[in-house]
Order: sequence, then structure tokens, then C-alpha cells
Amino acid sequence: DAKTTQPPSMDCAEGRAANLPCNHSTISGNEYVYWYRQIHSQGPQYIIHGLKNNETNEMASLIITEDRKSSTLILPHATLRDTAVYYCFLSGYALNFGKGTSLLVTP
Amino acid sequence: DAGVIQSPRHEVTEMGQEVTLRCKPISGHNSLFWYRQTMMRGLELLIYFNNNVPIDDSGMPEDRFSAKMPNASFSTLKIQPSEPRDSAVYFCASSWERQVQETQYFGPGTRLLVL
Repeated sequence: DAKTTQPPSMDCAEGRAANLPCNHSTISGNEYVYWYRQIHSQGPQYIIHGLKNNETNEMASLIITEDRKSSTLILPHATLRDTAVYYCFLSGYALNFGKGTSLLVTP
Repeated sequence: DAGVIQSPRHEVTEMGQEVTLRCKPISGHNSLFWYRQTMMRGLELLIYFNNNVPIDDSGMPEDRFSAKMPNASFSTLKIQPSEPRDSAVYFCASSWERQVQETQYFGPGTRLLVL
């Protein structure tokens, strides 16, 4: 009963921007959007989170639409090490990561 | 800080045996989470503790699974009796929760194989 939906897989060329979408049409006013990623065989790693403003840190940028029903995680210059499963989920709720998006960065 | 510590890292056991997984959260964190990951179901939340109290255990599969957090620095997830379908990677995570869910820090996981 995930509150977010993501495409199961995406490809991106090395050096290009990777744009990973997430739909959360039933988001409520106090729920944050969180992004994590999981590199093979490792525990998930926090990337970024936001409420309604766009956010940027050293890893990525998060763009949240004005109605907050969807968001996009942007990796501005994808590298091979960014190949991972990316999870989008909402806070303030029992956390379930869902299946995420498997991003493959190719040379 | 050493991060979230889980033990054992790998466990192989036979069906019917008791399995105990252990987790030491990051010092100062007041929330602890147990997750299970399989190819079929992805990453699922099993149980969530806040200030050592179980808040949501709706993800615990059945009575064979139990989790405890006797103090702020230690938690266990026990499976008794274990079954082959319990084979998975079990992750523990901790966070400092205030008004909203804060960043969770995950341990390296315990890879469980039940034969």
C-alpha cells in the first residue's frame, strides 16, 4: 500500500543528468518527500528530503511540483557509482520503501 | 561514530531453529527500525520503535517474529521457529525523530539463509 509510485527502471549515460520521477498524489500537508538509494548489497543511504521548496545538496537536487503531487530527483552529472536502486517515500507515516527505481548508469 | 551495528552479518540455519538478529543504533538516536528485503517484495518495514517503545509492528509477518528494545542502545529481532521463506536480508536503521521522520541511518544488514 505504497503512497508513492516510481518507474521500475531507468538508464542514463555517464556524465549526463539523471532525472528520477516520483508520484505521490495523496500526499498530505505535513508529509516530507524523502529520497534514498541502495547500492548493491549495501544498506539504503539517505540522499535528500523536502517539504515544498526545491532542495539541493552535494549529492542531488529535489524538485517538488507546486501541488506537491510529484517530485523529481536530479543527479546532475551521473557517474557509474550512481548505479543503484532509488527509493522515494513520504515521512510522517509508517515507512515503506516500495520497489524503487533501478538506475543504470552506462559508460 | 561507528554507525549502526548489526550482528551477525551472515547467518545460515536450518528450518525450525531459533534465529536472533541484533542491532546497536547510533548513540543518541531515539528511533529504531527493522526492515526485511527480498527480491520478491523489496524493502519492507517490519517494526518501528520510538524511545524503546514499539510504535508500529503491523509489518511483522506473523507470530514467529518478535522484536524487543530493552534499552536505547540495543534491539533484537527473533524468529522462532525459522522457515525457508524467512531467508532475506534484514536491515536495522536508526534516526533522531523530532516532529517529522528524520534521516534514517542503515546498518550493513544481516543476510539470513534458512535451509
